[in-house]
Amino acid sequence: DQQVKQNSPSLSVQEGRISILNCDYTNSMFDYFLWYKKYPAEGPTFLISISSIKDKNEDGRFTVFLNKSAKHLSLHIVPSQPGDSAVYFCAAKAWGSQGNLIFGKGTKLSVKP
Amino acid sequence: DAGVIQSPRHEVTEMGQEVTLRCKPISGHDYLFWYRQTMMRGLELLIYFNNNVPIDDSGMPEDRFSAKMPNASFSTLKIQPSEPRDSAVYFCASSLPGNYGYTFGSGTRLTVV
Repeated sequence: DQQVKQNSPSLSVQEGRISILNCDYTNSMFDYFLWYKKYPAEGPTFLISISSIKDKNEDGRFTVFLNKSAKHLSLHIVPSQPGDSAVYFCAAKAWGSQGNLIFGKGTKLSVKP
Repeated sequence: DAGVIQSPRHEVTEMGQEVTLRCKPISGHDYLFWYRQTMMRGLELLIYFNNNVPIDDSGMPEDRFSAKMPNASFSTLKIQPSEPRDSAVYFCASSLPGNYGYTFGSGTRLTVV
């Protein structure tokens, strides 16, 4: 029973265009959400996060949107660059917990020049 | 800062052998996490420590797995005896309290033949 789902295993986007990665969750106790980026042979790297009290957080080219009623979040990358090609993981944390980030299975983004 | 350091990067062992994975967290990080990544299950938490004390080991698959943190700068994950289904990439991560953007190591790719 996956609590965090990334239904698209892969996404291909042209350089300069917008990349939209989606994530759905089932646990209403989640209060904090994160996106990680992972290159081959490296560990995941924290990218951006959002608290459940917000609906948007922006950091440069990266914006995360949270729709609590739909239990859905998305990561927008604008403009996409070839260096953004990586696997992106969505993760969630339950209220009161420091440990046990629950990860989705990832979406592989390919940005073509 | 050297980041989270894991060793070895790759480990190939025969079924039935003992395997020990090592992790050095970032200095000053109070939390240490062990995650395992497989194709089937994605990234899943095995165990985490706070100030060297195990807090939640409910993700440890079975008694063949054990983890220790003898001091703030070192942790081990041991599998004894190892089985082919233990083949995966094992990640160690660390964080400060209240910081959910964990810093991951580069992982240990374990192959049990």
